[in-house]
Amino acid sequence: EAGVTQFPSHSVIEKGQTVTLRCDPISGHDNLYWYRRVMGKEIKFLLHFVKESKQDESGMPNNRFLAERTGGTYSTLKVQPAELEDSGVYFCASSQEGGSPYYEQYFGPGTRLTVT
Amino acid sequence: QKEVEQNSGPLSVPEGAIASLNCTYSDRVSQSFFWYRQYSGKSPELIMSIYSNGDKEDGRFTAQLNKASQYVSLLIRDSQPSDSATYLCAVNTNAGKSTFGDGTTLTVKP
Repeated sequence: EAGVTQFPSHSVIEKGQTVTLRCDPISGHDNLYWYRRVMGKEIKFLLHFVKESKQDESGMPNNRFLAERTGGTYSTLKVQPAELEDSGVYFCASSQEGGSPYYEQYFGPGTRLTVT
Repeated sequence: QKEVEQNSGPLSVPEGAIASLNCTYSDRVSQSFFWYRQYSGKSPELIMSIYSNGDKEDGRFTAQLNKASQYVSLLIRDSQPSDSATYLCAVNTNAGKSTFGDGTTLTVKP
């Protein structure tokens, strides 16, 4: 079974540009999460999809971030316009169907975003 | 106060010793607890989950949970150099997000 995949693995963009990150969850996993780790800080939650619906987006830092999950499969996270403080590693995770805190989350390899 | 706090590292143990990693959390309604291992430049890898008070063993790993004390720990027996990594404690309160600690870096010296 394929794990969570993310693309690209690394992105370097200039301040003010737009970047779109993609996450493909494990097949059959309804829950999809986005997390971010900025340098020196802990991994922080951004948002949670259940299928195509946003269940919790309390961690999204501001309206420059837009997440979508069309059709309940893969998800994209767009940053527009990017700022220097957006630099970090963006992780995607997925867990199986249903809304339960007991389901284990499996992480993708992450996308390292560098804004210069 | 951070929501999830881990013992400050780095932690260094000799090969074959027991490594003890600790984590405390602030939200009393937390329901599930996870330990992840993260090698440098890699993604977090789930190694243990625990939901009820007491101990849970899996191979050389034992997770311990005490909800009254809001404390969860991970013991690694017979530590190997390959166990050298950052260990992340994560706590789930509801159906969604995990709240992570800063991580504890473990080095196992041959």
